[in-house]
Amino acid sequence: KNEVEQSPQNLTAQEGEFITINCSYSVGISALHWLQQHPGGGIVSLFMLSSGKKKHGRLIATINIQEKHSSLHITASHPRDSAVYICAVRGGAQKLVFGQGTRLTINP
Amino acid sequence: NAGVTQTPKFRVLKTGQSMTLLCAQDMNHEYMYWYRQDPGMGLRLIHYSVGEGTTAKGEVPDGYNVSRLKKQNFLLGLESAAPSQTSVYFCASDRTSGRPNNEQFFGPGTRLTVL
Repeated sequence: KNEVEQSPQNLTAQEGEFITINCSYSVGISALHWLQQHPGGGIVSLFMLSSGKKKHGRLIATINIQEKHSSLHITASHPRDSAVYICAVRGGAQKLVFGQGTRLTINP
Repeated sequence: NAGVTQTPKFRVLKTGQSMTLLCAQDMNHEYMYWYRQDPGMGLRLIHYSVGEGTTAKGEVPDGYNVSRLKKQNFLLGLESAAPSQTSVYFCASDRTSGRPNNEQFFGPGTRLTVL
C-alpha cells in the first residue's frame, strides 16, 4: 500500500463545477503539499499546510491531521484548471513522499 | 530570479552512454533533490543533498551518481545508461536556513530517452 493515496485518479467535469480531490496518507507528517503539473510538464506548489485550511483564489485546501486526510477543492472550475494535481507529504525524514496524482480535465 | 533551472531539456542516449544533468538554483536553498517521474507512478526520489559537499541516497538511487560541489548546483550522472532510465527527471530545491517546513521549487524537467 502506498504511503500517499489520491482519489480519484482521473476526473472529468464541466466548466463551473465544484471539484474535490482527496489525499490520504498513512505516516506521521510535518506538512502536506499540493502541487499542480500542467500539460507542459512544469510543477508548481499550490499549498503547504500542516493544519486547518488555506485558500488562494478559487482553490481551497484542507487537512485533518487526526484522520490523515486532505482535500483540494476548486470552485467555479475553468478549462485552464486542467492539470495533474499531486499530493505530497513531508514525514519524519523531512523528504517528500508523493501520491500518484489526479488528472483533472475541465470541459468548456 | 531564475528559480530552478535544468539542462538539457531533452536528450536521447544509446544504451551504455553516459551523461550529466545539471540543476542550478539561485534562491540560496540548502536542500536539493533529483526525482524521476514515470507514467502511472508518483515522483520518486533518486538522490538528495542537504548542503554543499553532501549527498544521500533516495528511494531509487541505483544507476545514478550525484555531486554537490557548489551550493547552487546539483549534478545527476548516468555512467552507463539503460532503457529503464528512460524517464522525465525533475530537480527541486527547498529549505532556507532555520525553517523546518518549506515550499519546494521545481525545475522544468529533462526528458531522457535511452534507446
